[in-house]
Amino acid sequence: QKEVEQNSGPLSVPEGAIASLNCTYSDRVSQSFFWYRQYSGKSPELIMSIYSNGDKEDGRFTAQLNKASQYVSLLIRDSQPSDSATYLCAVNVDFGNEKLTFGTGTRLTIIP
Amino acid sequence: DTAVSQTPKYLVTQMGNDKSIKCEQNLGHDTMYWYKQDSKKFLKIMFSYNNKELIINETVPNRFSPKSPDKAHLNLHINSLELGDSAVYFCASSPSWVSEEKLFFGSGTQLSVL
Repeated sequence: QKEVEQNSGPLSVPEGAIASLNCTYSDRVSQSFFWYRQYSGKSPELIMSIYSNGDKEDGRFTAQLNKASQYVSLLIRDSQPSDSATYLCAVNVDFGNEKLTFGTGTRLTIIP
Repeated sequence: DTAVSQTPKYLVTQMGNDKSIKCEQNLGHDTMYWYKQDSKKFLKIMFSYNNKELIINETVPNRFSPKSPDKAHLNLHINSLELGDSAVYFCASSPSWVSEEKLFFGSGTQLSVL
């Protein structure tokens, strides 16, 4: 079983709608969870981090974490064409050491 | 000013050659990394250095040898290149090696082995 799993997509969402990206992880002791956005041909950039159960909102982005279900998601409200990118879920599976394990990413396309 | 810069951006070479990728960060971070991203976008850590000392080596073939002359630089030398080494290699840095720290990535080096 992969440590961090994401649906590779592509996920197509109409402009203005909510995009929902999901990620599951296998290591129960994982403590830190991150969403990175990667535009085609570019490097990943951090957009959200979450450490405790519940929701964390930042502008149009909301990260949701459920440690009991080992599930983390990213919601993008009012999706814009500029949100079209690959979204990488990353989990710190080795607590105390900055060793992130990335999922394979979900390719999101926002349709104008 | 580029925070994490790596060179070259593109590298095309023949099997069996030796090549190097350089990385420098001007953020004052203590920790630097090399990641490999394959054609399916899977991003996997290769090495991590904290203040010039190796702290993570993810069972990478010993043809790959990182070198950190100081905490602002982490270079990657690859011997006897193989077809399977073709990928995008990202350098990254973070303020420290403990968790909950943000990674800053360089722009990547696309390596193509022919």
